[in-house]
Amino acid sequence: AQSVAQPEDQVNVAEGNPLTVKCTYSVSGNPYLFWYVQYPNRGLQFLLKYITGDNLVKGSYGFEAEFNKSQTSFHLKKPSALVSDSALYFCAVRDRGTYKYIFGTGTRLKVLA
Amino acid sequence: NAGVTQTPKFQVLKTGQSMTLQCAQDMNHEYMSWYRQDPGMGLRLIHYSVGAGITDQGEVPNGYNVSRSTTEDFPLRLLSAAPSQTSVYFCASSYDPEETQYFGPGTRLLVL
Repeated sequence: AQSVAQPEDQVNVAEGNPLTVKCTYSVSGNPYLFWYVQYPNRGLQFLLKYITGDNLVKGSYGFEAEFNKSQTSFHLKKPSALVSDSALYFCAVRDRGTYKYIFGTGTRLKVLA
Repeated sequence: NAGVTQTPKFQVLKTGQSMTLQCAQDMNHEYMSWYRQDPGMGLRLIHYSVGAGITDQGEVPNGYNVSRSTTEDFPLRLLSAAPSQTSVYFCASSYDPEETQYFGPGTRLLVL
């Protein structure tokens, strides 16, 4: 069965420092991987995705993520955090053999000024 | 484009009542889905559709029905509401399942 793990409920980082939000997954085949962000009282917004090709994916707002097949991970990164990056971040996976998306439980990112 | 719209924004129901959560998109997307968001649980897929007339169950389908008579609309029906269905419900759409999903603003449902 597909699953996604976001091991950290919350990540705190100082403004200007690099940030990492972790995601590991389990699927039976090659995955589609996504990161979404949710601001308070809003729907989810797309950040980036990995479908195929280069393992380093660049997305919106300066975020990037690296697909690591051997570690089954897709960690979200940003070189320099902004206070405005504070939000709830979700990793999601879809097995290429199904149409079903599985979301992680979310990681709350807090960037401190 | 209005994107993905959901109505109502907030609803209070009594146990046993029925209601329909509306979802519409004007982007001609084939793939549409319903999720519920609960604290500590992330988003869980309720039902999805890959096109008009085609629906399938997600991770947590019990207590919910869907239909897809048009490309634009994908309503979610609660036949007999239960307190366990208190949640925030999100509808999403994409051109196809490989593409980015666009999410609606959500419907907050409270079942007493």
